[in-house]
Amino acid sequence: GENVEQHPSTLSVQEGDSAVIKCTYSDSASNYFPWYKQELGKGPQLIIDIRSNVGEKKDQRIAVTLNKTAKHFSLHITETQPEDSAVYFCAASIGTNAGKSTFGDGTTLTVKP
Amino acid sequence: GAVVSQHPSRVICKSGTSVKIECRSLDFQATTMFWYRQFPKQSLMLMATSNEGSKATYEQGVEKDKFLINHASLTLSTLTVTSAHPEDSSFYICSARGGRTNEKLFFGSGTQLSVL
Repeated sequence: GENVEQHPSTLSVQEGDSAVIKCTYSDSASNYFPWYKQELGKGPQLIIDIRSNVGEKKDQRIAVTLNKTAKHFSLHITETQPEDSAVYFCAASIGTNAGKSTFGDGTTLTVKP
Repeated sequence: GAVVSQHPSRVICKSGTSVKIECRSLDFQATTMFWYRQFPKQSLMLMATSNEGSKATYEQGVEKDKFLINHASLTLSTLTVTSAHPEDSSFYICSARGGRTNEKLFFGSGTQLSVL
């Protein structure tokens, strides 16, 4: 089955700096890669996703890059703010309307004011 | 985006009692919903896949008689923790597939279960 590894497990940055979280996956058939933000005591919230036919996607301060050959994808947050502090999970899945997502172990991001 | 509502957000119960958690897709139909368990500082652990109108599919190691799942309509799935014990205390989260291509996962807000 699919295996997703996520690094780092914790990340601390100064407000205004950039943060990068990386994930690798094992199954070359995976074609959908979402990122979720989870605040304490709440469910995960989808913040950005990318499909395997795209190499990069950006939404304001958040961007995701995908390297299919190397089987890794990354989340980039620029101009970080204290409210970006949360746990971030990457995931990989196969197909649409079917299948199960495999999640990374999460990265605790702390943005210091 | 699509909204998934989960209730209750927190429940405290005595050992031996049963607890029901509801998961509703508010503005879309969800033929498939997922139930997860999450321990502190850990990732989501998939417990089962809930299919509308049919039996749920449980992951290996998850007791189907302990965690009863019912998906009676396209907008509602329920998880019942039967005869709860302190070791069942955890954060339970549901999700549903939605979006134009039905590949996006939308999560409920989670239920913190504490069994005394």
